[in-house]
Amino acid sequence: DGGITQSPKYLFRKEGQNVTLSCEQNLNHDAMYWYRQDPGQGLRLIYYSQIVNDFQKGDIAEGYSVSREKKESFPLTVTSAQKNPTAFYLCASSRTGAIYGYTFGSGTRLTVV
Amino acid sequence: EDQVTQSPEALRLQEGESSSLNCSYTVSGLRGLFWYRQDPGKGPEFLFTLYSAGEEKEKERLKATLTKKESFLHITAPKPEDSATYLCAVQPTLQGAQKLVFGQGTRLTINP
Repeated sequence: DGGITQSPKYLFRKEGQNVTLSCEQNLNHDAMYWYRQDPGQGLRLIYYSQIVNDFQKGDIAEGYSVSREKKESFPLTVTSAQKNPTAFYLCASSRTGAIYGYTFGSGTRLTVV
Repeated sequence: EDQVTQSPEALRLQEGESSSLNCSYTVSGLRGLFWYRQDPGKGPEFLFTLYSAGEEKEKERLKATLTKKESFLHITAPKPEDSATYLCAVQPTLQGAQKLVFGQGTRLTINP
């Protein structure tokens, strides 16, 4: 079955460490996105990519980095510069060229310990 | 600034008690409005896309409608399994990519 796989489901990070969240899709979608979800707030866009080797900052990119070396993969690194990294992170993908909704992964819950 | 506001933040209903969730938006132009369902600890699941005022979409006990300034998600005779957070999102016309702007969600609880 086609879909998006996020791993790990739970991640614990010590302060000062960088961590990388994995996102892989086999839907043949061109566009991929990373969102952050905090309690009582809507999803906020961190980074997005419409094609391989190209990506753009979203509304809250500070303290995060991404790469898009393959169409299927869009990993997110949470760096030590991100002051409040504890959150639920969602990866999504979509087709491009028209009005398409997103397909979401199951999320990664990151906790700073 | 593009903005989406959902109300109420939380809604508790008895099984079979119909109601509506509201999604108000202010955008530079609307390409599409989306409704998603999200269960605790999981990713959002797509429900509907609406493109223009007057449009309606239905799926089982859910019906989504769209006006020029808001959308409603009507829930008819809900069951406990309809309990979830419902998210509304808009795709503004002037956005270069398929970026969606999300509301904060309505947490719906259906008591048996």
